[in-house]
Amino acid sequence: GAVVSQHPSWVICKSGTSVKIECRSLDFQATTMFWYRQFPKQSLMLMATSNEGSKATYEQGVEKDKFLINHASLTLSTLTVTSAHPEDSSFYICSARATPYEQYFGPGTRLTVT
Amino acid sequence: QKEVEQNSGPLSVPEGAIASLNCTYSDRVSQSFFWYRQYSGKSPELIMSIYSNGDKEDGRFTAQLNKASQYVSLLIRDSQPSDSATYLCAVKTSYDKVIFGPGTSLSVIP
Repeated sequence: GAVVSQHPSWVICKSGTSVKIECRSLDFQATTMFWYRQFPKQSLMLMATSNEGSKATYEQGVEKDKFLINHASLTLSTLTVTSAHPEDSSFYICSARATPYEQYFGPGTRLTVT
Repeated sequence: QKEVEQNSGPLSVPEGAIASLNCTYSDRVSQSFFWYRQYSGKSPELIMSIYSNGDKEDGRFTAQLNKASQYVSLLIRDSQPSDSATYLCAVKTSYDKVIFGPGTSLSVIP
């Protein structure tokens, strides 16, 4: 149980284009999902908290107009990186809260912007 | 002060030894603590969660929590080469967010 999927697993895009990443909880409903970013040899940095049916809460320093988050259902949250630039290249990982005490991670999406 | 701190390592232990990983946190009100294991290029996987002071054992893993000292640790007994990975300490803060430490790289030498 508590499986979280992400799609795509990797994506290469050109600078200036937008990329959408999907995060799905497969066997549970998640009112809260989280988006993290991880640069090489660094830890996970929380970008935003996504609550079903409401606006996402962004961490300080994260541009909400650049990283659009939509949590339209209890099993799906999407992150859209708009006008991507090479510095946005990173490993994006979503996480879904299965219980008040535990959250499970998706396999991650590796984004490369050329 | 960073919210969650860990020794960055790398920590090297011989196969069969005990690996000890440490973590401190700054939010005194935190109630939930987690250890994740992350292999290179992969997403983190939950190893253990702990909520009460004291020890919690699961197989070869033992998590220890001391809220007064704001300290969490993970012991890995009979370390195996497959345990070689980065171990992330995570804390659920009073703001209901899970914040990760920088991770400790563990290498188990055969």
